[in-house]
Order: sequence, then structure tokens, then C-alpha cells
Amino acid sequence: KAGVTQTPRYLIKTRGQQVTLSCSPISGHRSVSWYQQTPGQGLQFLFEYFSETQRNKGNFPGRFSGRQFSNSRSEMNVSTLELGDSALYLCASSLGGTGIRYGYTFGSGTRLTVV
Amino acid sequence: TQLLEQSPQFLSIQEGENLTVYCNSSSVFSSLQWYRQEPGEGPVLLVTVVTGGEVKKLKRLTFQFGDARKDSSLHITAAQPGDTGLYLCAGANSGYALNFGKGTSLLVTP
Repeated sequence: KAGVTQTPRYLIKTRGQQVTLSCSPISGHRSVSWYQQTPGQGLQFLFEYFSETQRNKGNFPGRFSGRQFSNSRSEMNVSTLELGDSALYLCASSLGGTGIRYGYTFGSGTRLTVV
Repeated sequence: TQLLEQSPQFLSIQEGENLTVYCNSSSVFSSLQWYRQEPGEGPVLLVTVVTGGEVKKLKRLTFQFGDARKDSSLHITAAQPGDTGLYLCAGANSGYALNFGKGTSLLVTP
């Protein structure tokens, strides 16, 4: 069974640009979460989607947004990129709300570098 | 503010040694999850503990959830080079979000 697929793996963008990252969850998983990982802050929760609805959002500025499609695939968008947005962006999927109890499957991440 | 504090931050040991990693919080969690992450990859789930006082064993790894569900520990017996990686604990409560510690970076040398 295929794992969580994130594309692209690597991305270099210039300050002020915007970027869209994609995540395809494990087949049958309807919950998709996004995390930002940096050396200084570790993993921080961005948002979680279930059946195309955002159920929770972390403490990030409005430049960070996301959405989920009817096939459970998810995208996140960052507008007006800043140098501090350079990070590994991780997507995780689970069956509905069971990730809280049984754990999540993470993708390999998208490494975003802002120059 | 990091809800979960992990210690030590770094650990370098020889193959065959034992080690314990700690994960502490002042908050109560409904469950606590441990992940291992290797460079360039996403975290991989090792175990989830949900009951206060629970102990789970996964081969040479032993996980314990504190009685008050605020802390956890991971003990590795006879560490091997393949155990090298970043160990992350994550607390879960309502709201579909995990609160991660900053991790313990473990290096096991032959």
C-alpha cells in the first residue's frame, strides 16, 4: 500500500513569491495534517483537514493556508514568502480522527528554501 | 512555548550501551506518541501509549507513560547503529493536533 506522497521534495523560492505544496494521503485516509519543521522550533502544527473541512489551525499567520479535495488530497499554500519560512513541511494522514489515538503516517516532506 | 520538553537533546553512545530518553510536560495528554526520524525523511511512528502507567515493549525499546499522563520515557537496551536518528515525542489531546517535543538526536557508533 502506497504511503503518504508529498511533492515536490525540494523547492527554492525567492522572498515575496508564493508556493503550493501537495500531499496525497494513504488510500482510505480522510484526515490530512500539515506540520512545519525547523531546527529552532521543531515540528509545529499548521492545520488539519477532514472531508474537505479544516478542523483545526495552528498559530501561524494568514499567509499560510490549505485545502483538501474530495479525493482527500491536500495542498498548502504560503504567500509572500519570508526567509523564515524556510523549513521542512510535513504532511501526515490518518483514518478520520484516529490519528490522535493510534498515530499518524508522515510523508517524506517538502524541503522549502527561501532566498 | 514548547509544551513537551525532551532530554537529553543529544546523545552519543557506543553500540551495546543502554539509554533512556525523557519527555516531560506540565500538561495532561490523552495519548503520547513516539516517532523516529532519519535525515531527509518524515517521522515514523514507533508507539502510542494511552493509559497512565502503561508500559509497551517493541523488541529492544521500552516505552512508559507516566501515571498522571504528563510524561513518558523511552529506554533502549543494547543500542545498535541502526537505532541512530531523531527521537520525537508528541502529546495528543482534543483538537486533532500533535504537540511535539524538539527531539533527542541519538548517534550510536560501532
